[in-house]
Amino acid sequence: DIQMTQSPSTLSASVGDRVTITCRASQSINRWLAWYQQKPGKAPELLIYKASTLEGGVPSRFSGSGSGTEFTLTISNLQPDDFATYYCHKYNNYPGLFGQGTKVEIK
Amino acid sequence: EVQLLQSGGALAQPGGSLRLSCAASGFTFSNYAMNWVRQSPGKGLEWVSTIASRGDTTYYADSVKGRFTISRDNSNETLYLQMSSLRPEDTAVYFCAKDRNELAVAGTSLGSWGQGTLVTVSS
Repeated sequence: DIQMTQSPSTLSASVGDRVTITCRASQSINRWLAWYQQKPGKAPELLIYKASTLEGGVPSRFSGSGSGTEFTLTISNLQPDDFATYYCHKYNNYPGLFGQGTKVEIK
Repeated sequence: EVQLLQSGGALAQPGGSLRLSCAASGFTFSNYAMNWVRQSPGKGLEWVSTIASRGDTTYYADSVKGRFTISRDNSNETLYLQMSSLRPEDTAVYFCAKDRNELAVAGTSLGSWGQGTLVTVSS
């Protein structure tokens, strides 16, 4: 089975910063990767699918890149509403698999 | 507006059973595969199961295979997860989630999620 490794597990940043989260797959998943944001006590929300396509309504400060085995989620100009946990998700086949999550904290 | 309203979470005994429901509205339910994803307290997300739009194909995580059964009632636009032989490690918030893409042939990202329902397995 494919393994997904997400890093870092925690990231401390300030409002206005640019932050990058990485997700690595143990074998190629082409571009079948999504990113979600989850706030405490809430369901996850889809941010990006197919590695780099922004879901409707998601601010343009979020961007995704990568293909094959290495992917990144970048948040430019971090806003107070962005402090949350982020998960990558590979969905090219079953079983689906999420990364371990990255908590973006206020520095 | 897509809505996924979940119910059925409760305290269950180890070895017991529970059925979760997810009532859908705001989209053509029968055109979308549906999923269950769980999250143990303080932990990350774990994909549990997926059912195809017509209900004819199902997939399960190894951790629940043989114990959980996903099903759907397209006429009543409801998704189910029948959980049996429950274990303490099944304790989690369970989310139902709708495939982002209509009539997808393979897996897709998860475009809409229910509010989650807590299942606690303890004696």
